[in-house]
Amino acid sequence: DTGVSQDPRHKITKRGQNVTFRCDPISEHNRLYWYRQTLGQGPEFLTYFQNEAQLEKSRLLSDRFSAERPKGSFSTLEIQRTEQGDSAMYLCASSPTRGDYGYTFGSGTRLTVV
Amino acid sequence: SQQGEEDPQALSIQEGENATMNCSYKTSINNLQWYRQNSGRGLVHLILIRSNEREKHSGRLRVTLDTSKKSSSLLITASRAADTASYFCATDVSGGYNKLIFGAGTRLAVHP
Repeated sequence: DTGVSQDPRHKITKRGQNVTFRCDPISEHNRLYWYRQTLGQGPEFLTYFQNEAQLEKSRLLSDRFSAERPKGSFSTLEIQRTEQGDSAMYLCASSPTRGDYGYTFGSGTRLTVV
Repeated sequence: SQQGEEDPQALSIQEGENATMNCSYKTSINNLQWYRQNSGRGLVHLILIRSNEREKHSGRLRVTLDTSKKSSSLLITASRAADTASYFCATDVSGGYNKLIFGAGTRLAVHP
C-alpha cells in the first residue's frame, strides 16, 4: 500500500465552475477525513466518514460542498459554483477504526479559483 | 474553529540547538498528537500522547502533556536543517468521533 492518494494535485478553475477531488485511503482504514487548509493556518475539519457513512459535517461545509464515499473505499469531494474564497489546500486523511492512531494524510489538492 | 494554539508562531534556530514548541487547548481530550508539514505537502504524524500519559519519547522527539493546564510541549533535540517545517498539535476531543482539531502551527526554521 502506498499510502493516501489524492487527485489531482493542483486544480485551477474559473469562478462558478464545479470541481471534484478524489481521495484513495489506505485500504485497511475505515475512517476517512477531509480537511481544508489555507496559507499560514492549520487544517480545518470538513467532514468524516466511517466506511460509507458520513458521520459528521462541519458548518464550514456549505450547501455547495458535498462528499461521498461509495462502498466505503475512495471518497470524492465536490464543490459547486466555486468562489474565490474556496481557494485552499484540500487534504484527505485516513485512520483505522479502533485504537489511538494518528492520521495518514495525502499530499493534498491545491485549488485555485480565478 | 481551532481548539489548539501553538506558541511561538515562528521559531528560528541553528543546527544542533533544541527546539521547543508549546500547544494549549480548551476542552477535555482523548489524546493529543503532533504533526509535521513541509511546505506545500501533506501532514506527517510524529507522535501521539494519551490523556493519561505525561511524557513520551520518539527518537529526538519528546512530548509532554499537562491535562490540568491543558497544554503540551514538543521538544526536538539536536535539530537538523531537515527539521525545517511547520509543526501542528491536534487534539482528539472527548466525546467526539475521534476527529482531530488542529492548531495554527509553529513554523520552525533550522539554519545550517
